[in-house]
Amino acid sequence: DVKVTQSSRYLVKRTGEKVFLECVQDMDHENMFWYRQDPGLGLRLIYFSYDVKMKEKGDIPEGYSVSREKKERFSLILESASTNQTSMYLCASSGPDRGRTDTQYFGPGTRLTVL
Amino acid sequence: DQQVKQNSPSLSVQEGRISILNCDYTNSMFDYFLWYKKYPAEGPTFLISISSIKDKNEDGRFTVFLNKSAKHLSLHIVPSQPGDSAVYFCAASEGSAGGTSYGKLTFGQGTILTVHP
Repeated sequence: DVKVTQSSRYLVKRTGEKVFLECVQDMDHENMFWYRQDPGLGLRLIYFSYDVKMKEKGDIPEGYSVSREKKERFSLILESASTNQTSMYLCASSGPDRGRTDTQYFGPGTRLTVL
Repeated sequence: DQQVKQNSPSLSVQEGRISILNCDYTNSMFDYFLWYKKYPAEGPTFLISISSIKDKNEDGRFTVFLNKSAKHLSLHIVPSQPGDSAVYFCAASEGSAGGTSYGKLTFGQGTILTVHP
């Protein structure tokens, strides 16, 4: 079974703080993703990575950065947290599966509140 | 531009009856479609998928239908159970088989399914 873990289930931070969200997967997947989920907006892609040290912007990268120093670990960084970054953050990974890489496996999510 | 749309924010169904969740897409390059189920305070879990070369895929109580000409897919759950109450997301992928899309998915907004006992 694929396992994707996230460092915190719940996090409360103050405006202006630097926030690190960590994600680890144990399936040797090449691809890793960070999303945020907000009511009525579905899952929106923030950043993704297809290899170590490689990253690509998703649909809403503003205010975020990422780091992938090791294949199994993908970090999301909020450089200066703002209240509009209060959200559920979801990490996912995917790898070759019957010739495709589409099926993503998600972690449990981190509910971040910025005060 | 919302390329994947789930136009029903919510659906309420009686236990034992059929639940039908719908999804529309606009990008004709999408060739693989997935459904995910999400409980509150948990990450989405993969449910079922379908390739664009098929029009139906079945797995137990779950069946996904794809109508390419209408750019429409639906998820049927028969019979519905109270434990099926969750948010359902459809997602689409564009040509990752041998390509360079890196498995990137585009998600719909989600439909909240409530199954009443």
